[in-house]
Amino acid sequence: GQNIDQPTEMTATEGAIVQINCTYQTSGFNGLFWYQQHAGEAPTFLSYNVLDGLEEKGRFSSFLSRSKGYSYLLLKELQMKDSASYLCAVIDSNYQLIWGAGTKLIIKP
Amino acid sequence: IAGITQAPTSQILAAGRRMTLRCTQDMRHNAMYWYRQDLGLGLRLIHYSNTAGTTGKGEVPDGYSVSRANTDDFPLTLASAVPSQTSVYFCASSPSGGGTDTQYFGPGTRLTVL
Repeated sequence: GQNIDQPTEMTATEGAIVQINCTYQTSGFNGLFWYQQHAGEAPTFLSYNVLDGLEEKGRFSSFLSRSKGYSYLLLKELQMKDSASYLCAVIDSNYQLIWGAGTKLIIKP
Repeated sequence: IAGITQAPTSQILAAGRRMTLRCTQDMRHNAMYWYRQDLGLGLRLIHYSNTAGTTGKGEVPDGYSVSRANTDDFPLTLASAVPSQTSVYFCASSPSGGGTDTQYFGPGTRLTVL
């Protein structure tokens, strides 16, 4: 079967750095997305990785290791508005998008 | 304002009733999708359409039907609602089908079936 694992919930402090991990076992791999979803709102695109390595975009960075079936989202200089769920999604060999259950990130002052 | 709209925002429905959730996008995207989101589970694909006039089944299609008469609209119909269909429903679109395009989501419809 296909599986994507993320921690259910994480807590971090305003101004700090947090790393949200995602591991996947899928039938093939054609890319990985990270989306942000604030409570009661729609998911919005954060990043896309298809090659190994780190992609940096402002305070957010996303890393991929295809050989390890592993990705992480790194959030720096945390702000209260970063409190949200972060969804990892993998494109499998059939170009179907498989979604993880998401990680709820709680930011404390 | 470009984007995706969904209607209604929320709905309480008696079991056995028929219900259509509406979705309209103005980005001229070819592909559209319907997902349901339940607590503790990832987004699950119900149906999709890679282009106007075509539709396909996703992971959880039973009890749902869709149509794609034109590029902009992609309604989702529950023929006879059951309590297990209580969920938040998101419509999404992408420039093309095939998975590698970014998907853009509507604001969602919160549906409760009693």
